[in-house]
Amino acid sequence: GENVEQHPSTLSVQEGDSAVIKCTYSDSASNYFPWYKQELGKRPQLIIDIRSNVGEKKDQRIAVTLNKTAKHFSLHITETQPEDSAVYFCAVDSSYKLIFGSGTRLLVRP
Amino acid sequence: NAGVTQTPKFQVLKTGQSMTLQCAQDMNHEYMSWYRQDPGMGLRLIHYSVGAGITDQGEVPNGYNVSRSTTEDFPLRLLSAAPSQTSVYFCASSMTADQPQHFGDGTRLSIL
Repeated sequence: GENVEQHPSTLSVQEGDSAVIKCTYSDSASNYFPWYKQELGKRPQLIIDIRSNVGEKKDQRIAVTLNKTAKHFSLHITETQPEDSAVYFCAVDSSYKLIFGSGTRLLVRP
Repeated sequence: NAGVTQTPKFQVLKTGQSMTLQCAQDMNHEYMSWYRQDPGMGLRLIHYSVGAGITDQGEVPNGYNVSRSTTEDFPLRLLSAAPSQTSVYFCASSMTADQPQHFGDGTRLSIL
């Protein structure tokens, strides 16, 4: 089955710095790569997604890059703010299933 | 438009008891799924359904059953609860697996 690995498991940055979270996957047929943000005690919510026909996608301070040949994709958050502190999950579609990474806990220090 | 509704929000069971976690959506989504979330292990797929009458296993299906008799509802049954099933359970829906997932608020389940 699909294997999704996410790194790092925890990330601490100073407010205003950038944060990068990386995921690798194993199914070469995967075409959809979303990122979810989960605040403490809340449901996961989609923040950005990318499809395999696109190499990069941006939405204000958030961007995702995809390298389909190498089977990895990354989330980039610029000018981090304290409200960016949360757990972030990558996910990959594989044979009608959406498989999640193990999550990255991001702490933005004021 | 309520989105995805999960009930109950909290539940405590004794080992060996059975129960059903309810999930309903009002967005006419074909795809529904159940995940469990444990510390440090992310969201693991239990079962999923691509439409009414069709279900299939995810990554961790053992000890759980599902059915999909209508488009709106996708209940998750624990047949004989075990302490290892203590977790937070999320239901999600979308048109297909490769579309943004709408999550419910979760059910926090403790098994003693």
